[in-house]
Amino acid sequence: GAVVSQHPSRVICKSGTSVKIECRSLDFQATTMFWYRQFPKKSLMLMATSNEGSKATYEQGVEKDKFLINHASLTLSTLTVTSAHPEDSSFYICSATTAGTSGYNEQFFGPGTRLTVL
Amino acid sequence: RKEVEQDPGPFNVPEGATVAFNCTYSNSASQSFFWYRQDCRKEPKLLMSVYSSGNEDGRFTAQLNRASQYISLLIRDSKLSDSATYLCVVATYNNNDMRFGAGTRLTVKP
Repeated sequence: GAVVSQHPSRVICKSGTSVKIECRSLDFQATTMFWYRQFPKKSLMLMATSNEGSKATYEQGVEKDKFLINHASLTLSTLTVTSAHPEDSSFYICSATTAGTSGYNEQFFGPGTRLTVL
Repeated sequence: RKEVEQDPGPFNVPEGATVAFNCTYSNSASQSFFWYRQDCRKEPKLLMSVYSSGNEDGRFTAQLNRASQYISLLIRDSKLSDSATYLCVVATYNNNDMRFGAGTRLTVKP
């Protein structure tokens, strides 16, 4: 199957700093990438949908100025958590799809990034 | 009401047991249904899609009841390696808006 990587896999930072997480599709071109957040023992929550070359679409309740998403190419999307605070500590997972706007699109998940804000 | 609700679990079963998980969803426009498996601190991995006619993949059987907005997963002859959290996932057109259940934790013991 298609492979999606994330970097870094784990990051610990001080409160107030910004953290950038990269999501790459390694062997396919991803027209759409998704960013999820998962708190312990909770479900994955979709944060935003990102299409290459256009602005991301954020889910209700997700601050677009705090979670900056850039999808500059068909193989790379980045999520920047700006001015991180301890409540932003979570497991961030990206996924990518291969197809366009019709038909069945399987989402391939990255291995996740565990963010801890001190 | 949550969009996708699952049995809270945890389920602790002996090897060889049969275990069933249930899931309900609230959006009647949902068109695609999946079961994902997530191991501790790992990303979710697709276990199987769920079709209206029901489908089977080895020891795993999935059922869908659109009228009741209900999905199930049956695992037969449980193995130790089946221990994981099972996520019920529904999506509308395109799968570009997947909604995840909170997951049901399964532990298979020797």
